[in-house]
Amino acid sequence: QVQLQESGPGLVKPSQTLSLTCSVSGGSISSDRYYWSWIRQPAGKGLEWIGRISASGSTSYNPSLKSRVTISMDTSKKQFSLKLSSMTAADTAVYYCARVLGSGSAWVKNWYFDLWGRGALVTVSS
Amino acid sequence: DIQMTQSPSSLSASVGDRVTITCRASQSISSHLNWYQQKPGRAPNLLIYATSTLQSGVPSRFSGSGSGTDFTLTISSLQPEDFATYYCQQGYSSPPWTFGQGTKVEIK
Repeated sequence: QVQLQESGPGLVKPSQTLSLTCSVSGGSISSDRYYWSWIRQPAGKGLEWIGRISASGSTSYNPSLKSRVTISMDTSKKQFSLKLSSMTAADTAVYYCARVLGSGSAWVKNWYFDLWGRGALVTVSS
Repeated sequence: DIQMTQSPSSLSASVGDRVTITCRASQSISSHLNWYQQKPGRAPNLLIYATSTLQSGVPSRFSGSGSGTDFTLTISSLQPEDFATYYCQQGYSSPPWTFGQGTKVEIK
């Protein structure tokens, strides 16, 4: 079955850029049925959607993070990646990658996260 | 952005109890509401999408209802493995997609 796995450094210094990669196994990353997303969760807190990318490379970002976020796709490696610049302690969180699926009509779909990676803990500290 | 508000933030219940969690959207989202279960140290797991459709493998004691701005998740008979935190998420059309703050279901 399809699995997602995050990878990247667990410790980032303040002001540096976080780079995380999500590897997709057991299925296609190139299907136009899906988007691929990053979501994060600070310890003891709720979930925050960061952004999404399609197989063609079309992106959409959370306005609250848009100035610092870049999500990219490498279909040949079956990976998509997150870069988050100017990291601060407030960015310390578990970062999840997830597959996004749409249901409903072609005009107005309901988008949901049907598969998740296990998560990667990222700590911002000097 | 569409804001999602869950209530209660936490609840205590016993095995066998019927449990209801409410999620309210700041504007109408039609039926574009999804529910997730998260256990400590684990990633969220999709339970219900499009308000009331159970994800494959999810027990039938879970159900969802609502439309517009008000939605509910019901667990008809709480089981030991259901003690967890539950999140609603609106998937209405274009992003940003947003989550409720979570409801923690604890053992009474």
